[in-house]
Amino acid sequence: DAGITQSPRHKVTETGTPVTLRCHQTENHRYMYWYRQDPGHGLRLIHYSYGVKDTDKGEVSDGYSVSRSKTEDFLLTLESATSSQTSVYFCAISEPGLAVHNEQFFGPGTRLTVL
Amino acid sequence: DAKTTQPNSMESNEEEPVHLPCNHSTISGTDYIHWYRQLPSQGPEYVIHGLTSNVNNRMASLAIAEDRKSSTLILHRATLRDAAVYYCILRDYTGNQFYFGTGTSLTVIP
Repeated sequence: DAGITQSPRHKVTETGTPVTLRCHQTENHRYMYWYRQDPGHGLRLIHYSYGVKDTDKGEVSDGYSVSRSKTEDFLLTLESATSSQTSVYFCAISEPGLAVHNEQFFGPGTRLTVL
Repeated sequence: DAKTTQPNSMESNEEEPVHLPCNHSTISGTDYIHWYRQLPSQGPEYVIHGLTSNVNNRMASLAIAEDRKSSTLILHRATLRDAAVYYCILRDYTGNQFYFGTGTSLTVIP
């Protein structure tokens, strides 16, 4: 299994509070991604990073920010959590140079509940 | 990126073949076809990919229509461990983003 961990694995928080989710990899892959998964919507890309300090928005980036100060860590921050951000969050990594199909490897997920 | 259309759910009997269809009528010449699956309570995992020709690996086979507007993931003998959501994804060979959609939820009946 690819070395990807997410922390915390479960979190319950209240509306209006800041929340930071962490993704840590030991594979030295260049690309890292944050997705959210909700019933009826499948997985949707929030933000991704293509290197240290290089990030870009995905299809559902409103209300989220990210940072990547080291190759191995990619942080997802909800500045002021809302109930609509209750979801399961998955981190993924990839290294485009390894293979043409650019396989993405996923972490175990973080279940976030915003009350 | 071009989008895909899959049935919401399918059922299969254990030890029988399963054919999971995917329509991608707006596919471009540089789009690869990827399949991922997501087992319960886990993140997605890679299954197979292809460009034009049919592909086989230890997990499955991928049959691609001649006009590339559709493809079929084939599980040759479904097991209970194959119960998962299967995603058909298109990706431009230069792109690093995947658009997963909602996938097909496969139920395997013992």
